[in-house]
Amino acid sequence: EPEVTQTPSHQVTQMGQEVILRCVPISNHLYFYWYRQILGQKVEFLVSFYNNEISEKSEIFDDQFSVERPDGSNFTLKIRSTKLEDSAMYFCASSDWGAVNTEAFFGQGTRLTVV
Amino acid sequence: AQSVTQLGSHVSVSEGALVLLRCNYSSSVPPYLFWYVQYPNQGLQLLLKYTSAATLVKGINGFEAEFKKSETSFHLTKPSAHMSDAAEYFCAVRRNSGGGADGLTFGKGTHLIIQP
Repeated sequence: EPEVTQTPSHQVTQMGQEVILRCVPISNHLYFYWYRQILGQKVEFLVSFYNNEISEKSEIFDDQFSVERPDGSNFTLKIRSTKLEDSAMYFCASSDWGAVNTEAFFGQGTRLTVV
Repeated sequence: AQSVTQLGSHVSVSEGALVLLRCNYSSSVPPYLFWYVQYPNQGLQLLLKYTSAATLVKGINGFEAEFKKSETSFHLTKPSAHMSDAAEYFCAVRRNSGGGADGLTFGKGTHLIIQP
């Protein structure tokens, strides 16, 4: 069964450092997403991406964040200068909403710890 | 924008008892609604989805949900709880009109506890 793959599963970084979280979406999907889940809280939408540009971003997705699809398979989330409050689980997802009867598939997540 | 509200951050039931997890939605257009399950230290797995084809939706692991427009609800049920059902459950709705790169808005989640 196709799946969304995220690497690394866990990353520890120092405050102020840049991090890049990587995702390989399902190959025939066209829409890509990042979500964040702070420990013990709900899953929050960060950004959606289609046709090599951002479709929608939430108020969380400020100038410290950026997304990129550098090649035909990877989808990345970059945080330029990490803060303690960026510590969270980050989920990548992909979908093909062109068909009504479909869903978003989520990766297993990357747990980011900022120290 | 669409939103969902989950009533009850924790629900505890006995093994074999009925499971009922509540979700109400707010939407200006016909919503696309989902229930996801998250086991400890794992990702999100789709349980079921409502896309206007049928009001009673059956999902995996014996779960089902009924879309009730008059009550703006999409509650998740399972007739008989199993210990393996212990997890976090999230109700979600597509954020906008459903077109294009439409992300999901999640509820706060309900932690389901199964008592032996």
